Amino acid sequence: DTAVSQTPKYLVTQMGNDKSIKCEQNLGHDTMYWYKQDSKKFLKIMFSYNNKELIINETVPNRFSPKSPDKAHLNLHINSLELGDSAVYFCASSSSVGEQFFGPGTRLTVL
Amino acid sequence: QKEVEQDPGPLSVPEGAIVSLNCTYSNSAFQYFMWYRQYSRKGPELLMYTYSSGNKEDGRFTAQVDKSSKYISLFIRDSQPSDSATYLCAVHGSSNTGKLIFGQGTTLQVKP
Repeated sequence: DTAVSQTPKYLVTQMGNDKSIKCEQNLGHDTMYWYKQDSKKFLKIMFSYNNKELIINETVPNRFSPKSPDKAHLNLHINSLELGDSAVYFCASSSSVGEQFFGPGTRLTVL
Repeated sequence: QKEVEQDPGPLSVPEGAIVSLNCTYSNSAFQYFMWYRQYSRKGPELLMYTYSSGNKEDGRFTAQVDKSSKYISLFIRDSQPSDSATYLCAVHGSSNTGKLIFGQGTTLQVKP
């Protein structure tokens, strides 16, 4: 009965590869988010979708492309991975302002 | 200047101590204020959520917002080892985009 789930939990890959992270929520929320948390625990929003429509697109390299096939799923595809992409990526969802529920995170390591 | 400033610590206290965690923010348009708790290798979980100025209490936790000085606080009474975690403050404006702006997080350790 996990509320927000992400796969994979860990991802280790070489520079230059392309990878995807998947997120699913079973809370019935309309809005989903991707956040990046760096090594200093600083959590920063990347994207947000509301009912499959992109509503927040922060200054993120074009190599990052979110996709929302339906309002319960939000995936993140990353092309040409770089060392600086190493971080923990969190998916979150919400139905109202402020109360966002986070997934367990995907720890990405680029070698 | 970052929009939300938070001392990253670490902060170490003995069990039973009162803990005070603080953040300052720069934009007076922010109206929603949150505290998230994040255990090691886990996702953040919402702890407290307040709108505008004032206090909110939930068990051993009290959130305080002072909009005049752009200062938000979280107090933990009778701290327990299980409170050891990183505490992140977050703010939100009046728009409905859902964009939360987080502080850097304060790492708290409560020693038995």
